[in-house]
Amino acid sequence: EVQLVESGGGLVQPGRSLRLSCAASGFTFDDYAMHWVRQAPGKGLEWVSGISWNSGSIGYADSVKGRFTISRDNAKNSLYLQMNSLRAEDTALYYCAKVTRGKYDYWGQGTLVTVSS
Amino acid sequence: EIVMTQSPATLSVSPGERATLSCRASQSVSSNLAWYQQKPGQAPRLLIYGASTRATGIPARFSGSGSGTEFTLTISSLQSEDFAVYYCQQYNNWWTFGQGTKVEIK
Repeated sequence: EVQLVESGGGLVQPGRSLRLSCAASGFTFDDYAMHWVRQAPGKGLEWVSGISWNSGSIGYADSVKGRFTISRDNAKNSLYLQMNSLRAEDTALYYCAKVTRGKYDYWGQGTLVTVSS
Repeated sequence: EIVMTQSPATLSVSPGERATLSCRASQSVSSNLAWYQQKPGQAPRLLIYGASTRATGIPARFSGSGSGTEFTLTISSLQSEDFAVYYCQQYNNWWTFGQGTKVEIK
């Protein structure tokens, strides 16, 4: 059974940093690209960042470019999102998602990030 | 960036009726279009990919159509568990989502 479990969320002050993790199991992790998607409270879904199976291709939404860094450790079956210079508008539930031929066939349950003083 | 526009924002439907949701892309995305269902407090679930292929375990009452810039998700006979928010997503050029259509009980 595929499982994606996010962690690392919490309350953080504006301008500070946070690192999210996503632990994957139930599939061959290093065969698949992985993405982060976020959802602000009461709002829709927003693609944040994606990384290919071998970290050779990485992309970011304009809203986070230069502040967030995605990475993965295939030996640990884990995906990460380093978030720096956090802003109030980064407040959201952050999901990791498994990518199969472009679409997201599995999602985690999300980890909540709240940016507030 | 490809902008995805969904309509209507809210759709009020009685159980057993048909629901038709629309999604338009600002430029062609070929058939690289997925639909997701999200219920309150839950992660999104993949319904349709490739514009018209049902994901594993998705009931036949869900169907998708379209290509290029115009897409439709049809739920042939709404069941109580189908009341939710539905998002379209293009994955032809990076990834973008529509703003969602809420299907509510009439």
